[in-house]
Amino acid sequence: EAQVTQNPRYLITVTGKKLTVTCSQNMNHEYMSWYRQDPGLGLRQIYYSMNVEVTDKGDVPEGYKVSRKEKRNFPLILESPSPNQTSLYFCASSLSRTRGRDSAAFFGQGTRLTVV
Amino acid sequence: GNSVTQMEGPVTLSEEAFLTINCTYTATGYPSLFWYVQYPGEGLQLLLKATKADDKGSNKGFEATYRKETTSFHLEKGSVQVSDSAVYFCALLLLTIQGAQKLVFGQGTRLTINP
Repeated sequence: EAQVTQNPRYLITVTGKKLTVTCSQNMNHEYMSWYRQDPGLGLRQIYYSMNVEVTDKGDVPEGYKVSRKEKRNFPLILESPSPNQTSLYFCASSLSRTRGRDSAAFFGQGTRLTVV
Repeated sequence: GNSVTQMEGPVTLSEEAFLTINCTYTATGYPSLFWYVQYPGEGLQLLLKATKADDKGSNKGFEATYRKETTSFHLEKGSVQVSDSAVYFCALLLLTIQGAQKLVFGQGTRLTINP
């Protein structure tokens, strides 16, 4: 079954304690990205990756890091989480630019993060 | 800039009612347009899409037409069911020269269907 898998689904942590949210896809997609969802704001892109070892900032990258060492995995790293990073996070993957305008994104089930 | 504006929610309807959720966009270039649906506790799923002007996307009884002249992509369904209760997101996809795919989402519209 084609899917994007995120872990954990729920996480409560304290300010300043480093954490990683994992994301894995089994569709051989080149393109992966991270979004955060906040009430009234929809989804905003944090970081994206066009392929292995190629990553770039989205609209709200401050306080986050990512890596893309393998095609299937795209972890999101919060080095020193703060309460304003409390949010619902989604990982997504899609085919590359060569499929262009038809590229629908597949989303994971989300990670609800609370930073206290 | 690029943005998507959706009808304010929440929207509450009775079963078998007609549904319209408005979506308008501003974009530099020629975006593809999508509707995604988020059921409780789940991620977003693609509902339908349209890649050029006058295209109509359809799925599960939902329809939306890409209207370039009004920069709109309104979602419609003729007879809603309780199982359609979810949050609906309108989104546009831009392809940058650098090869990035930029999805821009509206704020989402929560739909509740009562039996």
